[in-house]
Amino acid sequence: DGGITQSPKYLFRKEGQNVTLSCEQNLNHDAMYWYRQDPGQGLRLIYYSQIVNDFQKGDIAEGYSVSREKKESFPLTVTSAQKNPTAFYLCASADGMNTEAFFGQGTRLTVV
Amino acid sequence: AQSVTQLGSHVSVSEGALVLLRCNYSSSVPPYLFWYVQYPNQGLQLLLKYTTGATLVKGINGFEAEFKKSETSFHLTKPSAHMSDAAEYFCAVSEAGTASKLTFGTGTRLQVTL
Repeated sequence: DGGITQSPKYLFRKEGQNVTLSCEQNLNHDAMYWYRQDPGQGLRLIYYSQIVNDFQKGDIAEGYSVSREKKESFPLTVTSAQKNPTAFYLCASADGMNTEAFFGQGTRLTVV
Repeated sequence: AQSVTQLGSHVSVSEGALVLLRCNYSSSVPPYLFWYVQYPNQGLQLLLKYTTGATLVKGINGFEAEFKKSETSFHLTKPSAHMSDAAEYFCAVSEAGTASKLTFGTGTRLQVTL
């Protein structure tokens, strides 16, 4: 089945540790996105990538990093510089910038 | 810059009643507009979208929305609510030609009661 896979579904980390969230898609989509969701705030764009080996900052990129070495993969690293990392993270992909985005099932990150 | 305002963070309706979820947008260029639904601890699923053409858009699960440029609105409706419609609904906007780079509203949680 084609789709977007985020792993793990739940992730716990100690404060000060970096953590990497996985996002893989087998839809052959060019564009991939990371959003952060907090209660009552909707979704906010962290980073996006339109093509392999290229990515741009979104609205809340501080404290995060990404890579796009393969078309199907767009991992997100939450660094210790992110002040409030506990949130629900959603990955999405699209067949270019002119089509709607398809979302993964999300990873809930809790930092203690 | 674009923005989306969803009026009412919580809406409660009786089963069988009309569902109306409000969305107003701000965009300096022709917008693309979307409604997504999210069930607890899951990703987002596209309900419907407006890009160009007919302003009344029909989506999945009996939902529809009408693009009203003069009112900068894109309200979501369903004639008869079902218990399975209980979820969180997000309105989103993008610039024409960048459909997948979305700006979201803060969401409306729909509760359906017996």
